[in-house]
Amino acid sequence: IVLTQSQATLSLSPGERATLSCRASQSISRYLAWYQQKPGQAPRLLISDASNRATGIPARFSGSGSGTDFTLTISSLEPEDFAVYYCQHRSNWPFTWAFGQGTKLAIK
Amino acid sequence: QVQLVESGGGLVKPGGSLRLSCAASGFALTDYSMCWVRQAPGRGLEFVSYISYGGRDIYYADSVKGRFIISRENAKTTVYLQMNTLRAEDTAVYFCARENDDSWIDLWGQGTLVTVSS
Repeated sequence: IVLTQSQATLSLSPGERATLSCRASQSISRYLAWYQQKPGQAPRLLISDASNRATGIPARFSGSGSGTDFTLTISSLEPEDFAVYYCQHRSNWPFTWAFGQGTKLAIK
Repeated sequence: QVQLVESGGGLVKPGGSLRLSCAASGFALTDYSMCWVRQAPGRGLEFVSYISYGGRDIYYADSVKGRFIISRENAKTTVYLQMNTLRAEDTAVYFCARENDDSWIDLWGQGTLVTVSS
């Protein structure tokens, strides 16, 4: 399974709405997560199972989608949200692990 | 404090070996499957290897299969990655990571840099 994040870079301003996409090469149901990574840091889990916010993640982050098309939405960008975002698929049957190439959310 | 701390990275020549360690604290390592994920400089995240909580199930990325070996010593609360026949393209920050019950990574180490260069 290949995950494609078509937006290499997305340039927006604080306060704007961000919509990041991730497309799977075949249906993965809702087995998708989103991670945020800031420079010099490890990634952080934001969303699991396509739409479940992880513990401590602000409500401005939301995920949606199923099958092959998924979206991470940040309703109103805060300065700390400018980072790289990765989608990830994981399955046990068969064992599958895949990351998207990442989308850099940059300040406009 | 719940954390993962990697060690063992460094500079190694092509063809050389290195063993990474990941020390877990603040939680019961025996309850979790673990994995290694790497990130080459300026690049994205790449799965390297996985080991189930009991150690029975092990998987590798095709790029490291036959060269890397993952293992765990639950009594020592440590996960290892033995890396052999290293290549320049193995240069990366290697993260140790914990999978939660739903197989998502909910805890990451800070990473350890491996540089393969002559």
